[in-house]
Amino acid sequence: DAKTTQPNSMESNEEEPVHLPCNHSTISGTDYIHWYRQLPSQGPEYVIHGLTSNVNNRMASLAIAEDRKSSTLILHRATLRDAAVYYCILRDLAEAQGAQKLVFGQGTRLTINP
Amino acid sequence: GAVVSQHPSRVICKSGTSVKIECRSLDFQATTMFWYRQFPKQSLMLMATSNEGSKATYEQGVEKDKFLINHASLTLSTLTVTSAHPEDSSFYICSARGGGLSYEQYFGPGTRLTVT
Repeated sequence: DAKTTQPNSMESNEEEPVHLPCNHSTISGTDYIHWYRQLPSQGPEYVIHGLTSNVNNRMASLAIAEDRKSSTLILHRATLRDAAVYYCILRDLAEAQGAQKLVFGQGTRLTINP
Repeated sequence: GAVVSQHPSRVICKSGTSVKIECRSLDFQATTMFWYRQFPKQSLMLMATSNEGSKATYEQGVEKDKFLINHASLTLSTLTVTSAHPEDSSFYICSARGGGLSYEQYFGPGTRLTVT
């Protein structure tokens, strides 16, 4: 599985933007970049995914470097409810459907200060 | 988004007994289901992948005779921890994904298992 590298922790203030980086220098051409987050004592929650172009949804934006070796999850205006562990994961869509799996790294623990 | 439920949310059992955890996809047909385990302050570790009607594929180091997985229908998968020991105490999380054009993978709320 292609690996990702994220900072162990980050801290930000409420109502400010947050930029969560992820390095994936060994990404292959068929790997999609996924972001999930996990709130305390809950299962992970899908945030966003992309392949080459930047993506926006109601939760966040995903900025993907031109060489695809890194990406950044952007929370435009953080709230206290955004405090969670954020995971950047690669998923290879070239694999057979039944073989595709999400392998979690250590993620980034995001703390939001009031 | 789609909903995946788990039952029970918490369970305490005695050492040596078996415990079954259910995972259901409530509003879609899950052709593939996954079971993860998470110890405190650690990331999720994938235990096994199961496709409906097929035997589960276990990750390296996971004992298939200890963690029995059944995926008998498109909406239900079960994980049975047999002869549980205190070191099996963990947070067990299931995940489900539909087939065909369905893309997303949805996670259940998790089951906290404590073995005394």
